[in-house]
Amino acid sequence: AQKITQTQPGMFVQEKEAVTLDCTYDTSDPSYGLFWYKQPSSGEMIFLIYQGSYDQQNATEGRYSLNFQKARKSANLVISASQLGDSAMYFCAMREGGSEKLVFGKGTKLTVNP
Amino acid sequence: NAGVTQTPKFQVLKTGQSMTLQCAQDMNHNSMYWYRQDPGMGLRLIYYSASEGTTDKGEVPNGYNVSRLNKREFSLRLESAAPSQTSVYFCASSEIGRQETQYFGPGTRLLVL
Repeated sequence: AQKITQTQPGMFVQEKEAVTLDCTYDTSDPSYGLFWYKQPSSGEMIFLIYQGSYDQQNATEGRYSLNFQKARKSANLVISASQLGDSAMYFCAMREGGSEKLVFGKGTKLTVNP
Repeated sequence: NAGVTQTPKFQVLKTGQSMTLQCAQDMNHNSMYWYRQDPGMGLRLIYYSASEGTTDKGEVPNGYNVSRLNKREFSLRLESAAPSQTSVYFCASSEIGRQETQYFGPGTRLLVL
């Protein structure tokens, strides 16, 4: 069974608008961490934001925020004020408590239009 | 700080040839990882090393071997390359702590003919 599901293969957004990239996860472990990575066309994987399962508040890092809904098992990435440089693949990933392993979703390709 | 470095950046092999992908990190991280990324897929874990001297299999270990040479270096070896191993390979390392965020190298593009 898929542990991380990203249902949007591609998304389009106008420059300066906000966009939400969806991620749902599946785990029975009460302790886990959720990560978002950006992969631009140059290929490197860039860490964006982290949310722990016990964190009381939604994580924020600059223009990135994580809409964490534990009961729904969703961890959507919100990018505010999109920029052309935000065009990239975005991957959601999860690490279950006590595990070294990071499990990735298949990614969402975001295109920011001028 | 260079972070995580990988060599080579790109390699072409013939079926049956062997090669070693090198990875080094200068962040004093204990854990290191090898992933592969295939078109339209996320990353899949091949092997990881939680500390110097230990290695464990990930999701797709068949056809690969690894060596944790020291705390800084973690190599991935293909003993007899197959076309199915054509992929982009990423090395990563992670910090100790609450998050244990993994930081990635730039990747190695491998083409097996």
